[in-house]
Amino acid sequence: GDSVTQMEGPVTLSEEAFLTINCTYTATGYPSLFWYVQYPGEGLQLLLKATKADDKGSNKGFEATYRKETTSFHLEKGSVQVSDSAVYFCALSTGGGNKLTFGTGTQLKVEL
Amino acid sequence: SAVISQKPSRDICQRGTSLTIQCQVDSQVTMMFWYRQQPGQSLTLIATANQGSEATYESGFVIDKFPISRPNLTFSTLTVSNMSPEDSSIYLCSVKGLASNYEQYFGPGTRLTVT
Repeated sequence: GDSVTQMEGPVTLSEEAFLTINCTYTATGYPSLFWYVQYPGEGLQLLLKATKADDKGSNKGFEATYRKETTSFHLEKGSVQVSDSAVYFCALSTGGGNKLTFGTGTQLKVEL
Repeated sequence: SAVISQKPSRDICQRGTSLTIQCQVDSQVTMMFWYRQQPGQSLTLIATANQGSEATYESGFVIDKFPISRPNLTFSTLTVSNMSPEDSSIYLCSVKGLASNYEQYFGPGTRLTVT
């Protein structure tokens, strides 16, 4: 079945540091890939998406590229802020997007 | 994106009782879903709420435990029946809109604690 593997957290960075959160997947067919973010005490928000190989999703300074050859969708940001502290979930969907399969989530803490 | 609200936002319930969670969307959507997020874990799809027919449940989830209704294109309910402490979780509804084939948007969640 479909699965998503994320790097374990928590990840602690200083403000303005470079961020990478690794995500790899296993899926039948050609999945769409997503990053969702959950800020403390809030619901889940869609951060970015990519629907086919080599697509790059981007939003709020975050980027992720759909790499079919390595089955990866790593999240990156060049300079993190304290306000980026949250839990980040990588997810995929197949067959029209009716079922999202999530990774376990990676908690990011950004300190001054 | 659609604006999604859930009621209640949180509740503390006694074991053996049932709680119904409501999900309201401000626009018509094609699909509505219910997820569970157990403490410290990721999200798991419980079921797809189908308008006018029985919900479609994922493996490990059954209608007797999690009855779902969807009377129209903007509203759905999830009931957690005969609760036990293991049902303590955040329950989230999500929607897939008319304009997108891929994206799902999530409500704020209902935090349930069963004592």
